Amino acid sequence: DAGITQSPRYKITETGRQVTLMCHQTWSHSYMFWYRQDLGHGLRLIYYSAAADITDKGEVPDGYVVSRSKTENFPLTLESATRSQTSVYFCASSESPAYGYTFGSGTRLTVV
Amino acid sequence: KQEVTQIPAALSVPEGENLVLNCSFTDSAIYNLQWFRQDPGKGLTSLLLIQSSQREQTSGRLNASLDKSSGRSTLYIAASQPGDSATYLCAVGGISGGYNKLIFGAGTRLAVHP
Repeated sequence: DAGITQSPRYKITETGRQVTLMCHQTWSHSYMFWYRQDLGHGLRLIYYSAAADITDKGEVPDGYVVSRSKTENFPLTLESATRSQTSVYFCASSESPAYGYTFGSGTRLTVV
Repeated sequence: KQEVTQIPAALSVPEGENLVLNCSFTDSAIYNLQWFRQDPGKGLTSLLLIQSSQREQTSGRLNASLDKSSGRSTLYIAASQPGDSATYLCAVGGISGGYNKLIFGAGTRLAVHP
């Protein structure tokens, strides 16, 4: 299916565990982004990428790692999950700065 | 630092009303502005994208305007329907390091009742 897909849809993990959230897009968009959405904070940018092997930190990068070995994939890894990382995570992609973003359906992560 | 504010935070109206949702931003040096809709527990659906050189965009019953100099955008919804109930998010795009990074407002939660 064409589009941007995130997996898993829901995830519960324990404090201290490593967890990876997946994001895959089928359009070959150059730009990809990770946001987290929290009550009281809205959507905040975690990391972004302009192309394969090019990534940059956003507003709230601490505790997260990203990689982009292929244009279509942009996984987000929580190296040692903390309760403060309980959130809804959204991945987005964009063809170019002149175009808007398209968002995935999100991953609801709970850290217990 | 760009800040985006949306007013009102919540709105409850009867079906059929025409609505105006407001978005303001502090830095007028924007690249574009995008309105999204988010249903409970769902992702974001793009509604309208306005480039900084444009004044408005229309899609069906939706019309979005942009006044970059005053730092304001409005989303107008004509003849509201219960299916319009959702949270509406305004996001301002600014170019930095070659990226167009979106800064989001907190959203307006809309409820349209029959």
